[in-house]
Amino acid sequence: GENVEQHPSTLSVQEGDSAVIKCTYSDSASNYFPWYKQELGKRPQLIIDIRSNVGEKKDQRIAVTLNKTAKHFSLHITETQPEDSAVYFCAARVSGGSYIPTFGRGTSLIVHP
Amino acid sequence: GAVVSQHPSWVICKSGTSVKIECRSLDFQATTMFWYRQFPKQSLMLMATSNEGSKATYEQGVEKDKFLINHASLTLSTLTVTSAHPEDSSFYICSAPLGGSTDTQYFGPGTRLTVL
Repeated sequence: GENVEQHPSTLSVQEGDSAVIKCTYSDSASNYFPWYKQELGKRPQLIIDIRSNVGEKKDQRIAVTLNKTAKHFSLHITETQPEDSAVYFCAARVSGGSYIPTFGRGTSLIVHP
Repeated sequence: GAVVSQHPSWVICKSGTSVKIECRSLDFQATTMFWYRQFPKQSLMLMATSNEGSKATYEQGVEKDKFLINHASLTLSTLTVTSAHPEDSSFYICSAPLGGSTDTQYFGPGTRLTVL
């Protein structure tokens, strides 16, 4: 089955800095890669996703890059703000059908004001 | 966007009792729902896939007699933790895919279960 590795487990940055979270996956058939943000005690919420036919996707301060050959994808947050502090999960799955996403272990991002 | 609700949001029970958690898709139908368990500072661990009108599919290591799942309608799935013990204390989250594809998952707010 799919195995998703996520690094780092904790990331501490100053407000205004950039933050990068990296994930690798093992199943070359995976072609859908969502990122979720989970604030303490709340539900995970989809913040951005990318499909394997695209190398990069951007939404305001958030961007995701995908390297299919190396089987890794990354989340980039620019101009971080304290409200970006949360746990971020990456996931990988095969799009369509009933395949279920495999989640990374999560990265706790702390943005210091 | 699509909304998934869970009830209760938290529950405290005595060891040996059973607890039922409901997951509802409020503005869309979901033939499939997923149940996850999350320990503090850990990732989401898939427990089972709930299928409307048929038996749930459990992940390896999850006891189906311990965690009973019933997908009674296209908008409701329930997870019953039977004879709960302190080690069952956890955050339980359900999710439902929007539409025919399971690409976009919407998560419920979660249920914090504490077994004394």
